[in-house]
Amino acid sequence: AQTVTQSQPEMSVQEAETVTLSCTYDTSENNYYLFWYKQPPSRQMILVIRQEAYKQQNATENRFSVNFQKAAKSFSLKISDSQLGDTAMYFCAFIGNYQLIWGAGTKLIIKP
Amino acid sequence: DTEVTQTPKHLVMGMTNKKSLKCEQHMGHRAMYWYKQKAKKPPELMFVYSYEKLSINESVPSRFSPECPNSSLLNLHLHALQPEDSALYLCASSLPRTSGDQTQYFGPGTRLLVL
Repeated sequence: AQTVTQSQPEMSVQEAETVTLSCTYDTSENNYYLFWYKQPPSRQMILVIRQEAYKQQNATENRFSVNFQKAAKSFSLKISDSQLGDTAMYFCAFIGNYQLIWGAGTKLIIKP
Repeated sequence: DTEVTQTPKHLVMGMTNKKSLKCEQHMGHRAMYWYKQKAKKPPELMFVYSYEKLSINESVPSRFSPECPNSSLLNLHLHALQPEDSALYLCASSLPRTSGDQTQYFGPGTRLLVL
């Protein structure tokens, strides 16, 4: 079975701190994409970052970076210099065969 | 700015009404998706269209009827809904499966309330 596990239901940090969200997944496929999506209170689902499984280099998008450990099937998201606008639900997901498999989400609160 | 748009943003309907949700994408994608999302849960896949043809129906009740008139448009026709159908309905699009990159881009959603 293909699954995604996000073990942190909720996290909160002070503005400007660095925070890491955890994600592990299980799949028997070899080629797939991994994603972090952000859903703020507006509920718009926003793509934060993506990683192609065959690429060893970790993806980076400005303040967002991932630590991708393929053998361990781990895909954590690091947010540096966190901002109030980063407050949102964060979903980890992967796609191997047309369908996105989602984690349960981590609610991240950035405190001023 | 999202290149996937959805209308309306909010919809309130009675159980006997007929309404439609509309989704439009301007990304040149040939795969389009409908999701249903309840509060504090991840989205649940409802339908997938590939090259304007329905390719996946996740056992969705017939009171939801999808339609893909062309490669840019996706509709979801609603009829005789139940209060438990109240949710956020998200549309997404992506390159086709054969492209390798199936990154999905989402519209802003329609918040549906069934009374």
